[in-house]
Amino acid sequence: SAVISQKPSRDICQRGTSLTIQCQVDSQVTMMFWYRQQPGQSLTLIATANQGSEATYESGFVIDKFPISRPNLTFSTLTVSNMSPEDSSIYLCSLGRDKAYNEQFFGPGTRLTVL
Amino acid sequence: AQSVAQPEDQVNVAEGNPLTVKCTYSVSGNPYLFWYVQYPNRGLQFLLKYITGDNLVKGSYGFEAEFNKSQTSFHLKKPSALVSDSALYFCAVRDMGTTSGTYKYIFGTGTRLKVLA
Repeated sequence: SAVISQKPSRDICQRGTSLTIQCQVDSQVTMMFWYRQQPGQSLTLIATANQGSEATYESGFVIDKFPISRPNLTFSTLTVSNMSPEDSSIYLCSLGRDKAYNEQFFGPGTRLTVL
Repeated sequence: AQSVAQPEDQVNVAEGNPLTVKCTYSVSGNPYLFWYVQYPNRGLQFLLKYITGDNLVKGSYGFEAEFNKSQTSFHLKKPSALVSDSALYFCAVRDMGTTSGTYKYIFGTGTRLKVLA
C-alpha cells in the first residue's frame, strides 16, 4: 500500500478566499483523483489528475473553481477558489494503480469550513 | 452507465451477531467491485475486492463479501460483529474507462454500521 499525506488536515476560511490543498504520495503513480465528501455522505469525484496532462473534470466541476496541478508523479494540488459556505466539505485525494482492477488508496482528507 | 446502490442508510447489529451490508450494482461487462470502510475523522480504507474467480472474497478485519452475478449483488458480511466495526461502509464499482485508458470509481451512498454492545 502507499502512504498518502494531505496538507492542511483542516482549515477554516473566509468567504471569497482560496485554499490550496496538497497531496503527497510516497511512490510514483500515474493516476490521482480528487474527491469531495460532505460529512457522513458519499464521495463525489471532482477530477482525475494524470501527470503531464490537463485534469479531467466531472460534470458540475470546472477548472476555474477547482484548478488542479500535477507537476510530477508523487504530488498534486487542488485549489478551491472563491470559496462560499457551500464548499464546506472534506476533500480527499486518492491514487489509482495502472491496472484498473486495483483498489484506490485514499489520503486522510482535508476538512474545510467556509464561514 | 455504471452504478452501485446501497439500499440501507444504517444497519444496527448486536455485538457477536453476524452482519450484512448490502450492495447491488449495474455494469456493462465484467464488474470490478470494491468495499471500503471509513472510521470517524479518517480517510477511506480498502477492505476487499472482487475481480474474478471465487464468488466469496475474503478481506481485512475478518470481513468477506459474496459476489452474486444473477442478483447483481456484492454484499459485505462478517460472521461475528465487533463494536469496533462501527463505521461508514462504501461499495464501489469501477467504470468502463475511456478510450485514453483512464478510469474512475463510482461509490455508493454509504451505509452506517452500528454495532451495539
